[in-house]
Amino acid sequence: EAAVTQSPRSKVAVTGGKVTLSCHQTNNHDYMYWYRQDTGHGLRLIHYSYVADSTEKGDIPDGYKASRPSQENFSLILELASLSQTAVYFCASSGTRYEQYFGPGTRLTVL
Amino acid sequence: QQQVRQSPQSLTVWEGETAILNCSYENSAFDYFPWYQQFPGEGPALLISILSVSDKKEDGRFTIFFNKREKKLSLHIADSQPGDSATYFCAASGTGGYKVVFGSGTRLLVSP
Repeated sequence: EAAVTQSPRSKVAVTGGKVTLSCHQTNNHDYMYWYRQDTGHGLRLIHYSYVADSTEKGDIPDGYKASRPSQENFSLILELASLSQTAVYFCASSGTRYEQYFGPGTRLTVL
Repeated sequence: QQQVRQSPQSLTVWEGETAILNCSYENSAFDYFPWYQQFPGEGPALLISILSVSDKKEDGRFTIFFNKREKKLSLHIADSQPGDSATYFCAASGTGGYKVVFGSGTRLLVSP
């Protein structure tokens, strides 16, 4: 049974629209992360959280907001989607620094 | 500024050969280096990892060689199989931190 799930699995959004990507984990982990994956750039950290109701900026936070309403749930919000935000987004959770558990990803296309 | 660099970007080997994936880093504070394997359409998954106090880590056909002085490491996949075809990410993290920095990945294709 998948421990990190993401929804939706794919989405097409219009430029300037609002997009919310959701992540749910059943690992009972404190840490959760949002990454984007682009060809040639690997995985880049957008936001992360180590406790409910608190989020931290990662390496590329501009244009993104995050929300952690509970230990299990972590959302990524694009208030004004732009073409440059077309990418695959991964959520992950970790209970130690030694391993992150990734979800299956959300493919976002902004037109 | 890329703190973790990987080469080559893509690699093709024949079944049975040893694939060698390279990684280098800049930050001397990094002390833990996991390698993640990603198949198309899936999220990455931890494959093997090494702490900077060691210079070698083996797990079956997968071996990490680590050179702290040169800030370099490599992943060797012995007896490569078509099922090993995937993208491999080298990553790094520092003491006490939960943030991980990923390289840009090496796409491996093993031809039968």
